Amino acid sequence: AQSVTQLDSQVPVFEEAPVELRCNYSSSVSVYLFWYVQYPNQGLQLLLKYLSGSTLVKGINGFEAEFNKSQTSFHLRKPSVHISDTAEYFCAVRPPQGGKLIFGQGTELSVKP
Amino acid sequence: NAGVTQTPKFQVLKTGQSMTLQCAQDMNHNSMYWYRQDPGMGLRLIYYSASEGTTDKGEVPNGYNVSRLNKREFSLRLESAAPSQTSVYFCASSSGSGRRIGEQYFGPGTRLTVT
Repeated sequence: AQSVTQLDSQVPVFEEAPVELRCNYSSSVSVYLFWYVQYPNQGLQLLLKYLSGSTLVKGINGFEAEFNKSQTSFHLRKPSVHISDTAEYFCAVRPPQGGKLIFGQGTELSVKP
Repeated sequence: NAGVTQTPKFQVLKTGQSMTLQCAQDMNHNSMYWYRQDPGMGLRLIYYSASEGTTDKGEVPNGYNVSRLNKREFSLRLESAAPSQTSVYFCASSSGSGRRIGEQYFGPGTRLTVT
């Protein structure tokens, strides 16, 4: 069975500062990895995903994530955040052969001026 | 192209009342899902439908039933609402194959309060 742990429930950061949101997963098989973003009072939307190949994945809005197999991590980064990045971010995993997405508990990113 | 739509957006029920949450997608996706979101608990899968005509239990199915009415529509029913079912409910769909594999598309949510 897979599980996902997002290590920080809340991350406050000042505008234009860099940010890293941490995600670790547990799985005995290879997995696909995803980051979703949820803006206030909205549904989730896909930021980026890792299926295979290059371990550095670029997504929308300047976000990127790096897959680290040895550390079973998929941390999300942005070099310079904007106020508009304030949202909740969810990491998720799914086995390649199919099945359900397993979500982490979410990280609230709060960008302050 | 509306994507995934959900009705209603808000609902208040009394304990013991029943209701059905509606979900429709216009992306010709095979798979559809119902999640609930509670503070600090992420998204938990209630039921899913891998294809038209099939439904399966997720992580938290107790107190809910679902119907995959056709390829577009997937409804969630609360037969006898309880305060523990106060939550935000999200419907999602996915194609399950091709370059969009694993990607789920979410509706805007239904905020349900049970008093």
